[in-house]
Amino acid sequence: AQSVTQLGSHVSVSEGALVLLRCNYSSSVPPYLFWYVQYPNQGLQLLLKYTTGATLVKGINGFEAEFKKSETSFHLTKPSAHMSDAAEYFCALGATGTASKLTFGTGTRLQVTL
Amino acid sequence: DAMVIQNPRYQVTQFGKPVTLSCSQTLNHNVMYWYQQKSSQAPKLLFHYYDKDFNNEADTPDNFQSRRPNTSFCFLDIRSPGLGDAAMYLCATSTGGGRQETQYFGPGTRLLVL
Repeated sequence: AQSVTQLGSHVSVSEGALVLLRCNYSSSVPPYLFWYVQYPNQGLQLLLKYTTGATLVKGINGFEAEFKKSETSFHLTKPSAHMSDAAEYFCALGATGTASKLTFGTGTRLQVTL
Repeated sequence: DAMVIQNPRYQVTQFGKPVTLSCSQTLNHNVMYWYQQKSSQAPKLLFHYYDKDFNNEADTPDNFQSRRPNTSFCFLDIRSPGLGDAAMYLCATSTGGGRQETQYFGPGTRLLVL
């Protein structure tokens, strides 16, 4: 069975501080991992994804994530938070089977304060 | 720009009155998905179409139906909306090429049931 766990439903950081959003996964096959961001009353937008190859993945808006197989983790980071980063972030795992389905984590709401 | 479009963005309906939500795509993707997302929760997959093949999730209520008349359009029909069906409904598409494929989301339709 596949699963995604996001530690911390709410994370608050100061503007300019490091952003760290945690994601751990469980998969019986090599994982394909995604981070999506959702702004209020919007759909989900892909930040980045890991398929194969380089374990450090760079995405949009200055975000990056590192795939660590030994730790079954795919944590999302950004060196310096901006007010515009306040949103809901979802980690997801490409599910086995056809049709490119996703297994989502429960999401982390990021708050950025002055 | 290629995209996923959802209309309307906000929909108000009455308890028990059928409602249809619309999704269209210019990406020419094989797969179209419908998700239900309630407040502060991850999106929940209701069903998807792979080309003309309809695939229902096991726990999707019978009250929810879908139609895909052609590659570009997909509709979500709620036959008798209840108060518990108030949510954001997200449409997404993908090529369906496997677990590594990205899903592209529309902006969502927020449904209010009075």
